[in-house]
Amino acid sequence: SQTIHQWPATLVQPVGSPLSLECTVEGTSNPNLYWYRQAAGRGLQLLFYSVGIGQISSEVPQNLSASRPQDRQFILSSKKLLLSDSGFYLCAWSEGNEKLFFGSGTQLSVL
Amino acid sequence: AQTVTQSQPEMSVQEAETVTLSCTYDTSESDYYLFWYKQPPSRQMILVIRQEAYKQQNATENRFSVNFQKAAKSFSLKISDSQLGDAAMYFCAYFEGGSEKLVFGKGTKLTVNP
Repeated sequence: SQTIHQWPATLVQPVGSPLSLECTVEGTSNPNLYWYRQAAGRGLQLLFYSVGIGQISSEVPQNLSASRPQDRQFILSSKKLLLSDSGFYLCAWSEGNEKLFFGSGTQLSVL
Repeated sequence: AQTVTQSQPEMSVQEAETVTLSCTYDTSESDYYLFWYKQPPSRQMILVIRQEAYKQQNATENRFSVNFQKAAKSFSLKISDSQLGDAAMYFCAYFEGGSEKLVFGKGTKLTVNP
């Protein structure tokens, strides 16, 4: 069966520090991969999605970037974090259809 | 761009009663899907119910049902016999066929009172 792993669960980082959040999927090939952010008390905002290795679509211009170095690996990065980058980050995958499966999320606090 | 609007930031219901959460969306497409997701305090996203736009019949999953009004672009969620475990954030979401993207509303926080 398919599983999605996202880590770390919680992260506290100082302003200006780099960021790397990782997400991996098991049990499937060539999934669509997604990064969403949920600010406190807000809905989910799509940040990036990928339909294949090296293919990244950005939805919102910001301080973040995404990469897909392997088929089932999706990484969210920043060179210098801002206070506004704080939030709950969710990774998700699909088999190229409308059914998305979500990871357990990473709570990022930038201080 | 497609938008999803949830006009009720918060709702409350008495245990065992029925509550309806509202959602409207904006699209010019005919091939799409609509969803309701539940996010409990654990913050895990849980799919509650799914509706294909080409189906006229409203989706039902146990105590959860939808009222899908395609012409009005309305997609409300009805929770019957509310239970304490139904307390959560509920998100309405839209997926356009071929777009690869799931777009969410801002959510409705549901409180269930004992």
